[in-house]
Amino acid sequence: QQQVKQSPQSLIVQKGGIPIINCAYENTAFDYFPWYQQFPGKGPALLIAIRPDVSEKKEGRFTISFNKSAKQFSLHIMDSQPGDSATYFCAAGERRQLTFGSGTQLTVLP
Amino acid sequence: DAGVIQSPRHEVTEMGQEVTLRCKPISGHDYLFWYRQTMMRGLELLIYFNNNVPIDDSGMPEDRFSAKMPNASFSTLKIQPSEPRDSAVYFCASSRLGANYGYTFGSGTRLTVV
Repeated sequence: QQQVKQSPQSLIVQKGGIPIINCAYENTAFDYFPWYQQFPGKGPALLIAIRPDVSEKKEGRFTISFNKSAKQFSLHIMDSQPGDSATYFCAAGERRQLTFGSGTQLTVLP
Repeated sequence: DAGVIQSPRHEVTEMGQEVTLRCKPISGHDYLFWYRQTMMRGLELLIYFNNNVPIDDSGMPEDRFSAKMPNASFSTLKIQPSEPRDSAVYFCASSRLGANYGYTFGSGTRLTVV
């Protein structure tokens, strides 16, 4: 059972563009929503996270938007750079256990 | 801190052989997780420990897989006997108690069973 649905599967943007990755969940018991960035040959690295009592969180060029009523959250990357090219995973946590989305492969063209 | 350390980075073995993957979590982290990553199934949680005690092993595919955590600084994931369908990248991650329980992942072990 896929509890966290992530889209799109892949995304290509030009440098300076604003890629947006979306995730949806069903389980209302989830209480923690992190995003991870993974480069080839590396493990996923925590990028930014949000709790359901907050609608938006910004850290540098990365912003999470959270819509509790719709059970959706998204990652926005402002002024994207070629170095942001990676696979991005959303996740949802309950009782310290994270369920991951299927991942989005982002390519930022120079 | 050196982060989560996994070994080996790559493992190639023949079908039927025993494989042991190793993990050293971040000091002070009291949760340890083993994940498997494949193109088809993404990131799957296999098992996790809290204070060295296995809490949930429902993700372990079958009896061929076993995991141990003899102390706070070491864990192993063993596959015996290995099969080609076990080929994947296996990640270990650790986390500490707190409201923001984002995991720190190791660099993974790429396992190839031929």
